[in-house]
Amino acid sequence: AQSVAQPEDQVNVAEGNPLTVKCTYSVSGNPYLFWYVQYPNRGLQFLLKYITGDNLVKGSYGFEAEFNKSQTSFHLKKPSALVSDSALYFCAVRDGRGGANNLFFGTGTRLTVIP
Amino acid sequence: DAGVTQSPTHLIKTRGQQVTLRCSPKSGHDTVSWYQQALGQGPQFIFQYYEEEERQRGNFPDRFSGHQFPNYSSELNVNALLLGDSALYLCASSPRAPNSYQETQYFGPGTRLLVL
Repeated sequence: AQSVAQPEDQVNVAEGNPLTVKCTYSVSGNPYLFWYVQYPNRGLQFLLKYITGDNLVKGSYGFEAEFNKSQTSFHLKKPSALVSDSALYFCAVRDGRGGANNLFFGTGTRLTVIP
Repeated sequence: DAGVTQSPTHLIKTRGQQVTLRCSPKSGHDTVSWYQQALGQGPQFIFQYYEEEERQRGNFPDRFSGHQFPNYSSELNVNALLLGDSALYLCASSPRAPNSYQETQYFGPGTRLLVL
């Protein structure tokens, strides 16, 4: 079975400080991992994904994520937060085994960047 | 290049009614997936269409059905609406080939359905 956990419902960070949004996952096969962001009354916007290769993945708007197989984690990071980064962030996983390619999402983490 | 589009943006229905939501995929994409996002929750997979057939289905009752047209656009139909069907319905598109596991799903803005 596939699952994703985002242990923090809310993360607050001061503008200019580094931010981390945590995600852990569970899959049977090889994990394919994704981060999406959702602004109010909008759909999901793709940020980045890990398929294979380098454990550090760089994405849109200065975001990056580090894949850690031993800790089954895929935390989202940004060196310097902007007020405009305030939004709802979702981690998602796809199991590379079994023929299904739909995404399983976490419950989301609301990021607030304080000016 | 147009992204994923959905219509309508908002919809209000009463219990027992039926609703149809529409989705046009991103140019070059042939696979459409539908998700339900209840308030305060992450999206949950409903089903996926490819080559005009339902290929995968999540844990949703038969009241939820769909269709894909030859131009790859898709519809989601929900019959006998319940109050609990109130949610944001998201459509996502992706290319099938060459390896669907690695492909990114791109989401539309969603249709917000309120059932009274």
